[in-house]
Amino acid sequence: NAGVTQTPKFQVLKTGQSMTLQCAQDMNHNSMYWYRQDPGMGLRLIYYSASEGTTDKGEVPNGYNVSRLNKREFSLRLESAAPSQTSVYFCASSETLERRYTFGSGTRLTVV
Amino acid sequence: DQQVKQNSPSLSVQEGRISILNCDYTNSMFDYFLWYKKYPAEGPTFLISISSIKDKNEDGRFTVFLNKSAKHLSLHIVPSQPGDSAVYFCAARGSNYKLTFGKGTLLTVNP
Repeated sequence: NAGVTQTPKFQVLKTGQSMTLQCAQDMNHNSMYWYRQDPGMGLRLIYYSASEGTTDKGEVPNGYNVSRLNKREFSLRLESAAPSQTSVYFCASSETLERRYTFGSGTRLTVV
Repeated sequence: DQQVKQNSPSLSVQEGRISILNCDYTNSMFDYFLWYKKYPAEGPTFLISISSIKDKNEDGRFTVFLNKSAKHLSLHIVPSQPGDSAVYFCAARGSNYKLTFGKGTLLTVNP
């Protein structure tokens, strides 16, 4: 029962570097999401994919891009990392947009 | 503008007592509300939910109450156990089906 798998779990980047956060789910869910969690800010939606082949911006999309590679995988890319992107990133999935979410265990990203 | 507010960053209760976590919202279009629980170094996990057409939903030790006129919901945990110590997030679903989360409340249950 893997659920939602995120890789890597930890990453340190230098300002300006790029990287891709990977997320895969094995529950045959249609919808997938990327959130970031910052101290005192709760969970904020970056991007989501309602179904395979579609992606939409969330609350805080600037500085990020996403790819819904197939039904299972939804990646988040930082093209030029900035210290403000230091955060814990959570991927989630749901059967459909209106169903409850299952979250991954998170990626802790530090940009120095 | 914060549409979902959890005004208490932390709450400490004794084991066996009731824990009450509060959440206020501003958007009257929210139609579904959820509570998620998060342990350190793990992702949030679903705990309990309530539709806007109900005022109470119960699941074991957990009960969620919704007061639509006050735009307020609360999560009651009784009796509280040390294993309940975690961050609790309130979330609300809008007309676009996306969830908006509060900032979370850290619950500590002391043995």
